[in-house]
Amino acid sequence: GAGVSQTPSNKVTEKGKYVELRCDPISGHTALYWYRQSLGQGPEFLIYFQGTGAADDSGLPNDRFFAVRPEGSVSTLKIQRTERGDSAVYLCASSLTGGARTDTQYFGPGTRLTVL
Amino acid sequence: KQEVTQIPAALSVPEGENLVLNCSFTDSAIYNLQWFRQDPGKGLTSLLLIQSSQREQTSGRLNASLDKSSGRSTLYIAASQPGDSATYLCAIQGGSEKLVFGKGTKLTVNP
Repeated sequence: GAGVSQTPSNKVTEKGKYVELRCDPISGHTALYWYRQSLGQGPEFLIYFQGTGAADDSGLPNDRFFAVRPEGSVSTLKIQRTERGDSAVYLCASSLTGGARTDTQYFGPGTRLTVL
Repeated sequence: KQEVTQIPAALSVPEGENLVLNCSFTDSAIYNLQWFRQDPGKGLTSLLLIQSSQREQTSGRLNASLDKSSGRSTLYIAASQPGDSATYLCAIQGGSEKLVFGKGTKLTVNP
């Protein structure tokens, strides 16, 4: 594909439920990032993958959040026992190598998660 | 901990006006600074990336400057157009791969 894609575009769930958010990065990009953007705020870093491994998961708010990238391409962000405070837009980005400080991160359109 | 502040939070200008958006950051040990544009319901689009060794970058009607020692960057938009209406985000890449964002400036250009 031409850009980063994310599915679903919108997700409404009830408090306590489990959700999965999917990200398809640009083909050939080895680095993948997840960010969370709450209303009126800038995006906040959650986790960064280099290939299949999570190189930096320091932004995950608690152990209800988990992400995988088993084949080094598609990534899934998983949220257990959702809370109303998890409501936000979840953004995914990818970059070519992730190791170069001049790498631009290309963002997807995001998944808007609403927890009722 | 790096903190990024953007002023103003919102700006409304008439079409054709030149304008400046401001970004400040607390830790000058950065690798690069990026300006992004965000349209409602869409992802972020990278506008300009300034490496820490650079002072400015230009793309079309956009010019971004970086003063690392004072912890400031500006985004200058010349001859603004209604299509420039969007939220503009400043982001810092420091000692890791993650970007640290400001809250953004919401720009409205009135025809």
